Amino acid sequence: KQEVTQIPAALSVPEGENLVLNCSFTDSAIYNLQWFRQDPGKGLTSLLLIQSSQREQTSGRLNASLDKSSGRSTLYIAASQPGDSATYLCAVHSGNTPLVFGKGTRLSVIA
Amino acid sequence: GAGVSQSPSNKVTEKGKDVELRCDPISGHTALYWYRQSLGQGLEFLIYFQGNSAPDKSGLPSDRFSAERTGGSVSTLTIQRTQQEDSAVYLCASSLGLGQGRNEQFFGPGTRLTVL
Repeated sequence: KQEVTQIPAALSVPEGENLVLNCSFTDSAIYNLQWFRQDPGKGLTSLLLIQSSQREQTSGRLNASLDKSSGRSTLYIAASQPGDSATYLCAVHSGNTPLVFGKGTRLSVIA
Repeated sequence: GAGVSQSPSNKVTEKGKDVELRCDPISGHTALYWYRQSLGQGLEFLIYFQGNSAPDKSGLPSDRFSAERTGGSVSTLTIQRTQQEDSAVYLCASSLGLGQGRNEQFFGPGTRLTVL
């Protein structure tokens, strides 16, 4: 059974810092991995999707990497801003269950 | 519409009543998914549809939960005889399809269900 773990559970950083969020999964036979952002009381916004054949994806200040063999992904946020404050969720698609989610990392960027 | 929509946005009901939650996927998306997010918990997969068919219903928590999708578009999630532990945010997502390159999921804003 696929399990997804995100570390840390919460993170607080001053504005302008670069930061890394970590995601690990137990079964490396995945189709893809998706990073989401969730604001309080809101739904999920898709940030980046990495197919199993890819090693990274970039969108603006965000860069996600995937090391399938070791069961790890990282989300790198450059030059963090207060507007980046949210919960970041990692999810993997392994086929039998469309998406298995981690419990998220709650990020606070302090101005 | 441009995105996935869900209704109602909030629902408060009494224990024992039935509730129906609705999801309108992005136009042209053949796959539709239901998830549940309980307070302090991660997202729990409930069920997905490819077209009008639900190949895997094992994620539904009990037989009080059912879902249907008609016309390959709108889906409803029905909870019968609601219990307090059903209180959660119910999220719907859709994707172009299930295959690689088509399975990026886009989420709606959710329905917050409170069972008193």
